[in-house]
Amino acid sequence: GAVVSQHPSWVICKSGTSVKIECRSLDFQATTMFWYRQFPKQSLMLMATSNEGSKATYEQGVEKDKFLINHASLTLSTLTVTSAHPEDSSFYICSARVERYTGELFFGEGSRLTVL
Amino acid sequence: DAKTTQPPSMDCAEGRAANLPCNHSTISGNEYVYWYRQIHSQGPQYIIHGLKNNETNEMASLIITEDRKSSTLILPHATLRDTAVYYCIVRVESYGQNFVFGPGTRLSVLP
Repeated sequence: GAVVSQHPSWVICKSGTSVKIECRSLDFQATTMFWYRQFPKQSLMLMATSNEGSKATYEQGVEKDKFLINHASLTLSTLTVTSAHPEDSSFYICSARVERYTGELFFGEGSRLTVL
Repeated sequence: DAKTTQPPSMDCAEGRAANLPCNHSTISGNEYVYWYRQIHSQGPQYIIHGLKNNETNEMASLIITEDRKSSTLILPHATLRDTAVYYCIVRVESYGQNFVFGPGTRLSVLP
């Protein structure tokens, strides 16, 4: 199957700093990527849809100025958590769709953010 | 997208078949049934999907009822590594559409 890679897999930062998470499609091009967030013992919640070459579409309740998404190429989308606070600590997961594979959405390994 | 209902948790003995049910009584004719699983602290993994017919691959089998209002994911010989949260999702086949995850079923495979 197609491979989606995230980096870093885990990060610890101080409150007030910004953290960037990268999501790469390794063997295919993805015009659309999705960013999810998952708190402990909860399901995945969609944060935003990342569109190559255009602005991301954010879900209701997700602050676009806090969670900056850039999808500058067909193989890379980045999520930057700006001025992170402890409540932003979570598991962030990206995903991408491959047209040649009917239907499936492929997910990255996830990035665990801990804000101290 | 149609809503799905799954039991919150299930146990299965190692080596036995694990049968995970999913109700999707409001599914529409152009919605597919997808199954993903998530092992602790990892991203979701695609398992299988189908529209009307039963499907089988190297990981599992998907049985969809004739009225399409429910389905069952079958892991034929469960191993300890199959312990995970299993998500049943129904959605229209569309490139730009995301997947909406419910709470899923936490499957525990017991030795």
